[in-house]
Amino acid sequence: AQSVTQPDIHITVSEGASLELRCNYSYGATPYLFWYVQSPGQGLQLLLKYFSGDTLVQGIKGFEAEFKRSQSSFNLRKPSVHWSDAAEYFCAVGAGSSASKIIFGSGTRLSIRP
Amino acid sequence: ETGVTQTPRHLVMGMTNKKSLKCEQHLGHNAMYWYKQSAKKPLELMFVYSLEERVENNSVPSRFSPECPNSSHLFLHLHTLQPEDSALYLCASSQGPGMDSPLHFGNGTRLTVT
Repeated sequence: AQSVTQPDIHITVSEGASLELRCNYSYGATPYLFWYVQSPGQGLQLLLKYFSGDTLVQGIKGFEAEFKRSQSSFNLRKPSVHWSDAAEYFCAVGAGSSASKIIFGSGTRLSIRP
Repeated sequence: ETGVTQTPRHLVMGMTNKKSLKCEQHLGHNAMYWYKQSAKKPLELMFVYSLEERVENNSVPSRFSPECPNSSHLFLHLHTLQPEDSALYLCASSQGPGMDSPLHFGNGTRLTVT
């Protein structure tokens, strides 16, 4: 069965600094990979997804993520964070063809230091 | 503005009450989902409906009863809940039930069981 781990529960970075959020997955084949963001009081919004092809994927709000098969990782990056990026970030992995097979990580809460 | 609307935003109920959560999607999607989000736990899939038919029930206690009268509306009927059922309940929809259809989430209903 697939699983996903987000090792960092809470990260604080300064506004304007670069950001990398870690995500590791476990799955026997090439998985579907997703990053979602949840702002306070809101639902989850899809930032980006990887299904196949180019291992560096671009998403909304200036985020990107890189799929590294050898490390079973799909880390999320942003070169310069803004105060509005403060939120909870969820990595998710999907196996099979049904969206009901998407497993979400426990999330990483991002705080921005002024 | 989200294309998935959930009401109410907040709900407090006693253990003997009966209440319902409502979800409406304005995106023309064919699949709808209920998720439970508890503090410090990964998002848990509860139910999946595709074209108004329930296609997945992830071992959810019978005190939670879903209803999907049409492809735009999804309800979660609640009765004799327990305090541990307190959580954020998120509704989502997707174009189809396949993995390549992104999930669109509502803002959730924050449920407190007293």
